[in-house]
Amino acid sequence: DIVMTQTPLSSPVTLGQPASISCRSSQSLVHSDGNTYLSWLQQRPGQPPRLLIYKISNRFSGVPDRFSGSGAGTDFTLKISRVEAEDVGVYYCMQATQFPPRFGQGTKVEIK
Amino acid sequence: EVQLVESGGGLVQPGRSLRLSCAASGFTFDDYAMHWVRQAPGKGLEWVSGISWNSGSIGYADSVKGRFTISRDNAKNSLYLQMNSLRAEDTALYYCAKDMSTVILVDAFDIWGQGTMVTVSS
Repeated sequence: DIVMTQTPLSSPVTLGQPASISCRSSQSLVHSDGNTYLSWLQQRPGQPPRLLIYKISNRFSGVPDRFSGSGAGTDFTLKISRVEAEDVGVYYCMQATQFPPRFGQGTKVEIK
Repeated sequence: EVQLVESGGGLVQPGRSLRLSCAASGFTFDDYAMHWVRQAPGKGLEWVSGISWNSGSIGYADSVKGRFTISRDNAKNSLYLQMNSLRAEDTALYYCAKDMSTVILVDAFDIWGQGTMVTVSS
């Protein structure tokens, strides 16, 4: 099984400042169909997860453009250009290239 | 409005069974794969099981294989999870999630329900 490792596990950030979360997979996430099935989800306190980014860098409908995804192969990054109060929560990367789909451990973003 | 509503959770003794349901609305249910994802209290997300649009492709996490059965009824826009031989470690909030893909089993989970809590304890 592919293992997904996120860093950091906790990220205190100042409002208006950028934040970055790294996600590394134990194997390449490039699928035989040419796609890379790496997505990012946000889980606000007491809420279900919400899809932010799919296939590395595609922003899901309604997601603010301060969120961006990048990367390739085994290394991926989620960036928040200017953190707002509503961005507090836990962020997960997820791979769906190889069965079974796996989530990272989660990164808690909190305001300093 | 696109919506998933789970039901069927509760307190159950170890070794007993429970059946979860997920009612979908606001999208063409039989176009998409569907999944169950769980989250133990204070922990991260764990994919449990997934089923393709026509039930032709089904997958389970090793932790539930042989005990849980996923199914769907496209005529009723509903997804199910039959959970047998429940263990304390199955205690979690169980989410129903819609896949983005109309082709493959797993792509990304774009719509999530609020979850239904399952507690396994004597």
